[in-house]
Amino acid sequence: AQSVTQPDIHITVSEGASLELRCNYSYGATPYLFWYVQSPGQGLQLLLKYFSGDTLVQGIKGFEAEFKRSQSSFNLRKPSVHWSDAAEYFCAVAFTGGGNKLTFGTGTQLKVEL
Amino acid sequence: DVKVTQSSRYLVKRTGEKVFLECVQDMDHENMFWYRQDPGLGLRLIYFSYDVKMKEKGDIPEGYSVSREKKERFSLILESASTNQTSMYLCASSSQGQRVLRSNTDTQYFGPGTRLTVL
Repeated sequence: AQSVTQPDIHITVSEGASLELRCNYSYGATPYLFWYVQSPGQGLQLLLKYFSGDTLVQGIKGFEAEFKRSQSSFNLRKPSVHWSDAAEYFCAVAFTGGGNKLTFGTGTQLKVEL
Repeated sequence: DVKVTQSSRYLVKRTGEKVFLECVQDMDHENMFWYRQDPGLGLRLIYFSYDVKMKEKGDIPEGYSVSREKKERFSLILESASTNQTSMYLCASSSQGQRVLRSNTDTQYFGPGTRLTVL
């Protein structure tokens, strides 16, 4: 069965430091890939998505992600974290023939130290 | 901008009560979804709908039902609420009524969520 793994439950970084959140998926073909962010008490906001083409995707709030087919990964990165980036981040995958359904990872909680 | 609204941000109900969670979207989207979110489990799909009066089970439909009488509105129903249904419930919508993801417009847009507590 298809699955999405976010191996880091919690990550703490200092403000201004770089950030990388990991996401791996299990699927035989190329999936459609998303990163969402959820601030406390809020719904999910789309950061970026990959459907095809350039494997380095730029998103909002200075985030980017790179699709690596050989590693089945879609890691989220930001060169310099701001205190307002503290939130929970979810990787999600849609699989061809999956009927527009998303499968979510379990999330990574980001804490930013000032 | 797409707007997805949910009828309540917080809801407290008693065991055995019938509970209705309402979701409305204003972008004429064909697809609508209900998820529940629990710590350490991420989001899990309960039900979804591709069109009016159409519904399909997601990964955890037990104990829930849905209703879609109008395109913009998708309701989640807990026929007899139980304590293990205490959770955050998120509604989402997306464009295209097709079953296969074919274009880059099929992003799901989420509402703010309803935190349901069943006592």
